[in-house]
Amino acid sequence: DGGITQSPKYLFRKEGQNVTLSCEQNLNHDAMYWYRQDPGQGLRLIYYSQIVNDFQKGDIAEGYSVSREKKESFPLTVTSAQKNPTAFYLCASKSTPGANVLTFGAGSRLTVL
Amino acid sequence: KQEVTQIPAALSVPEGENLVLNCSFTDSAIYNLQWFRQDPGKGLTSLLLIQSSQREQTSGRLNASLDKSSGRSTLYIAASQPGDSATYLCAVIAGYALNFGKGTSLLVTP
Repeated sequence: DGGITQSPKYLFRKEGQNVTLSCEQNLNHDAMYWYRQDPGQGLRLIYYSQIVNDFQKGDIAEGYSVSREKKESFPLTVTSAQKNPTAFYLCASKSTPGANVLTFGAGSRLTVL
Repeated sequence: KQEVTQIPAALSVPEGENLVLNCSFTDSAIYNLQWFRQDPGKGLTSLLLIQSSQREQTSGRLNASLDKSSGRSTLYIAASQPGDSATYLCAVIAGYALNFGKGTSLLVTP
């Protein structure tokens, strides 16, 4: 079945550690996105990528980094510079700009201890 | 910057009622609008996508309308069921930029 796989589902991190969240899609989509979701705040865009080897910052990119070496993969690293990393992280993809459905993964919940 | 607002923030209705969720946006230059459902601790599931040239889309008991000129979309749920309890989000899409509302938390009581 086509879809987006995020891993791990739950992750605990000590302060000062970098962690990487995985996002893999087999939908042959060009564009991929990372969102952060906090209670009562809706979804905020961290980074997005329109094509392999290219990505742009979203509204809250500070403390995060991404790479897009393969079309199927868009990993997100939460660095120690991110001051409040505890949140629910969602990866999404769609084929092209315009009238195409945005598809989401199941999410990864990061908790900083 | 596109601002997306969803009203109400929370809604509780008895089973069987018809209900309307609202989504408003400030910039009418959009490609399309998408409604999602999110269950607690889960990802988002797409419900309906309305292209900018369309005025409504229907899927089963769900009907979504779009009025670009007034910057509004509504999601109509007919004959609500307890299984409809979830958070409903709308997203306004213009090119690669997507802007989400904060969602409406719906509770349908038996």
